[in-house]
Amino acid sequence: QKEVEQDPGPLSVPEGAIVSLNCTYSNSAFQYFMWYRQYSRKGPELLMYTYSSGNKEDGRFTAQVDKSSKYISLFIRDSQPSDSATYLCALHRTGGFKTIFGAGTRLFVKA
Amino acid sequence: GAGVSQSPSNKVTEKGKDVELRCDPISGHTALYWYRQSLGQGLEFLIYFQGNSAPDKSGLPSDRFSAERTGGSVSTLTIQRTQQEDSAVYLCASSSSGTPPETQYFGPGTRLLVL
Repeated sequence: QKEVEQDPGPLSVPEGAIVSLNCTYSNSAFQYFMWYRQYSRKGPELLMYTYSSGNKEDGRFTAQVDKSSKYISLFIRDSQPSDSATYLCALHRTGGFKTIFGAGTRLFVKA
Repeated sequence: GAGVSQSPSNKVTEKGKDVELRCDPISGHTALYWYRQSLGQGLEFLIYFQGNSAPDKSGLPSDRFSAERTGGSVSTLTIQRTQQEDSAVYLCASSSSGTPPETQYFGPGTRLLVL
């Protein structure tokens, strides 16, 4: 079983839609939860991170962690064509060196 | 300031040849990571450096893969006797100390194709 599962998509939505991206994980030791965005032929860049459970909002983006269900989500409101990219969830254990990345979900926002 | 740079940006090689991939991290960053990204597989952790030492080499897929870092800065990832399954994008990232929740800054990657 993979440590983190993420649907690779692709996910295609019209401009202005609310997008929901999700990951599930198996190890309860993960404490740090991150979302990276990767444009085509570029390296990933950190979008948001949360520690433990709860919600975090940054502009049009909301990250949500439910540790009891081992489920993390990224919501994008009022999606724009510029949001078209691959979104990767990433998890990190306290005291560990390694960050575990999901496979990434490809998102297309159509104008 | 300058971000993480990687060279070459693309590399085509023949099966059985050795290749060297280079990473220049952000100046002053002590932590450096190598990842491999294959289609649909996400980022696979390869190795982590703190300064010049590598406390975690657990992700290196086989003994054909090795990496070093000199002067706490530039790192090279070497793949010996390349195989077709080594074809992937190799990404390097650096962060200021390696203690989460620290941002990892990624380079653009080296696209390796083994024929």
